[in-house]
Amino acid sequence: NAGVTQTPKFRILKIGQSMTLQCTQDMNHNYMYWYRQDPGMGLKLIYYSVGAGITDKGEVPNGYNVSRSTTEDFPLRLELAAPSQTSVYFCASSYDTRNGELFFGEGSRLTVL
Amino acid sequence: QQQVKQSPQSLIVQKGGISIINCAYENTAFDYFPWYQQFPGKGPALLIAIRPDVSEKKEGRFTISFNKSAKQFSLHIMDSQPGDSATYFCAASKGTDKLIFGTGTRLQVFP
Repeated sequence: NAGVTQTPKFRILKIGQSMTLQCTQDMNHNYMYWYRQDPGMGLKLIYYSVGAGITDKGEVPNGYNVSRSTTEDFPLRLELAAPSQTSVYFCASSYDTRNGELFFGEGSRLTVL
Repeated sequence: QQQVKQSPQSLIVQKGGISIINCAYENTAFDYFPWYQQFPGKGPALLIAIRPDVSEKKEGRFTISFNKSAKQFSLHIMDSQPGDSATYFCAASKGTDKLIFGTGTRLQVFP
């Protein structure tokens, strides 16, 4: 199984540009998440989804949007990119939220200049 | 309080030594405490987890020690190896709530 697949792995954006980070999982997990990782700050939850058609904000949702039209896919949209969005983004999925193991993708490194 | 405080931020250990990473929490309702391991260029992966009904859990060279009264839990890596060099995150959650992650510890094991 491929697990959780993220694309692209690297991207440089100019301030004000928009882009979508793609995430797909083949484990039939209902729960999917987007985190950002900044040095010394750990993993911060941006958005999450408990199933197709259902999304909710996490700890740091400003400047981002998500959609969940299928169980497999959970894209993260950045509108009007800002330098503060320079980060490494991780998509994850889990079978359950109660003591459930998170399966992470390999990350997407985004730089906004 | 939803924070999980992790220390140290970085750790250098010689091969064969013991690596110890500590985490503290405030919310006594937390009932699940996992540790995730992240190698450079990869996503985090579950290493070991514990629930508050036990004080210790061991898997190979990795042990979680849990002190409910002190609201602390720690990861011990015995006989540390260069292949253990990675970033380690503690985390906590209650019920069906999302995981709260610590800030991470970068471990370097030198031969």
